[in-house]
Amino acid sequence: AQKITQTQPGMFVQEKEAVTLDCTYDTSDQSYGLFWYKQPSSGEMIFLIYQGSYDEQNATEGRYSLNFQKARKSANLVISASQLGDSAMYFCAMTPVNSGGGADGLTFGKGTHLIIQP
Amino acid sequence: ETGVTQSPTHLIKTRGQQVTLRCSSQSGHNTVSWYQQALGQGPQFIFQYYREEENGRGNFPPRFSGLQFPNYSSELNVNALELDDSALYLCASSLLGLGEQFFGPGTRLTVL
Repeated sequence: AQKITQTQPGMFVQEKEAVTLDCTYDTSDQSYGLFWYKQPSSGEMIFLIYQGSYDEQNATEGRYSLNFQKARKSANLVISASQLGDSAMYFCAMTPVNSGGGADGLTFGKGTHLIIQP
Repeated sequence: ETGVTQSPTHLIKTRGQQVTLRCSSQSGHNTVSWYQQALGQGPQFIFQYYREEENGRGNFPPRFSGLQFPNYSSELNVNALELDDSALYLCASSLLGLGEQFFGPGTRLTVL
């Protein structure tokens, strides 16, 4: 079984500051993928960034980067130069990479509500 | 490239009724997954369909069932609705074997 823990229910950040959203995970799988999604009030889940467990370098996508520390089982999201439009719920998720077939789906955390203040 | 679409956007049902939600996958994607997101929670995996068959299932009872059609679109059916079934239902499409899933806007179901 997999588990995602997001310990920050809510965060207030000043516009243009960098922000780090925490995510720790637990799994017995050797190979897995880690994801971050953004969910605005409209409800749609927007994919932000992906990190494979065997990727040696931290993933980056524009203003988003994933600080992956495998030994600590953490996958924190860093947003540089935050913008008002970044205000939303942010979810960390994971799935095993299962070469044997079958699907376990994504396991999500409870999310962090990020509010960017002008 | 057409994204994932879902219908309807909102739905109100009464306890005991049955409901069908629909999802059209993103162009080129062969796999559809369904998730239930209760208010204030993260989404929970219901099941996944690939090649018109259920390919994996989360911890949901059999009254949650689905279909996938040859064009990869999908339906989620819920029988004997309960109050706790009130939630946002999200559909996600992907290519089997690749983890990244693209989500639709969701259907908000209210059970009275």
